[in-house]
Amino acid sequence: DVKVTQSSRYLVKRTGEKVFLECVQDMDHENMFWYRQDPGLGLRLIYFSYDVKMKEKGDIPEGYSVSREKKERFSLILESASTNQTSMYLCASSFQGNYGYTFGSGTRLTVV
Amino acid sequence: GENVEQHPSTLSVQEGDSAVIKCTYSDSASNYFPWYKQELGKRPQLIIDIRSNVGEKKDQRIAVTLNKTAKHFSLHITETQPEDSAVYFCAASDSGGYNKLIFGAGTRLAVHP
Repeated sequence: DVKVTQSSRYLVKRTGEKVFLECVQDMDHENMFWYRQDPGLGLRLIYFSYDVKMKEKGDIPEGYSVSREKKERFSLILESASTNQTSMYLCASSFQGNYGYTFGSGTRLTVV
Repeated sequence: GENVEQHPSTLSVQEGDSAVIKCTYSDSASNYFPWYKQELGKRPQLIIDIRSNVGEKKDQRIAVTLNKTAKHFSLHITETQPEDSAVYFCAASDSGGYNKLIFGAGTRLAVHP
């Protein structure tokens, strides 16, 4: 009964490549979030969206952009991947006015 | 903005012992405090939460306490079992809206048989 799906579980990309991470939810949630998870740093918010075509920067947006063309899909884009973007990326979604997050399984990205 | 600090970063207990994880937050306007459990290779899952109008909440072997004055909240796990081994994250709501959560750095709990 997976409700938040991230397209890739593991990804290896080269420095300088443009990278797309996809997240799809089937719960009709308005809010969607991208976090990166690093040991000792917890989950840090990169970007979030509260509606189609709406986006807001989180705490660490540098080097990233996002796209939300449809309600169910929220894409994280690394414009030019760098080694310091090697991390686990987690997508989450929730209803508007609700803090009940449902997380995806994560994408472990390695940039070489 | 909100900042959440979590301690300890690692915790090792014997099966049957209690475990306590503590978090502090900076924004006095935060009003929602969830705890997530992340087992190895799996997604974080909500295990318990508390709102600012409540001081304590229990669910079987887990409980969360909140001290608004001191701006700290804690997770208590009693009678720990090996399946409690995981990384636990606390979080606090960001008062800036949009239902953002700010997470702590996580605590890796190991329960030894």
